Amino acid sequence: SQKIEQNSEALNIQEGKTATLTCNYTNYSPAYLQWYRQDPGRGPVFLLLIRENEKEKRKERLKVTFDTTLKQSLFHITASQPADSATYLCALLARGGKLIFGQGTELSVKP
Amino acid sequence: GAVVSQHPSRVICKSGTSVKIECRSLDFQATTMFWYRQFPKQSLMLMATSNEGSKATYEQGVEKDKFLINHASLTLSTLTVTSAHPEDSSFYICSALRDRGSNEQFFGPGTRLTVL
Repeated sequence: SQKIEQNSEALNIQEGKTATLTCNYTNYSPAYLQWYRQDPGRGPVFLLLIRENEKEKRKERLKVTFDTTLKQSLFHITASQPADSATYLCALLARGGKLIFGQGTELSVKP
Repeated sequence: GAVVSQHPSRVICKSGTSVKIECRSLDFQATTMFWYRQFPKQSLMLMATSNEGSKATYEQGVEKDKFLINHASLTLSTLTVTSAHPEDSSFYICSALRDRGSNEQFFGPGTRLTVL
């Protein structure tokens, strides 16, 4: 069956460090993968999209990698700040334009 | 920008009543909107795809007679939870596709439904 898995445990890091979140998938061949941020009681906010032919993408302090052989994407936040604390979701595009989401990883950045 | 709003943001209702949630694209036209449900600490689960002027496409396991979707205009889709029960309590989120060729979805802020 098709699965998308993210670290279920919350990630706690110190301000200034790099946060690395993992998204693994099975039985998919997605054309691209997206990362979203979700704050409590709010809808997801789009952060980055990476296509299957792209190895890495950057946006300010964010970096995403996509390894279609390993079926894995890594999401990095460098120089993390307490304001980066949120739940981060990865999502794959399925047929019909539908997004399939992982369960999210909660990130907590301590000052 | 591409802003999507939802109304209401919170609703509390008695068991057996029906609740309507609105999803609006404020500054663009959306031929396709999506409805998701999210339980605490869980992922967003797609419920249905709503296309303007046609019937919604429901995901497996989602009762179309219970969750009525209407996409009557290019800027508005509604989700009506009929005869709501406590197990329907959840966070309902809509999203909209701005461009046909793009697959970037813009999400609303969500609606917290509590059924007593």
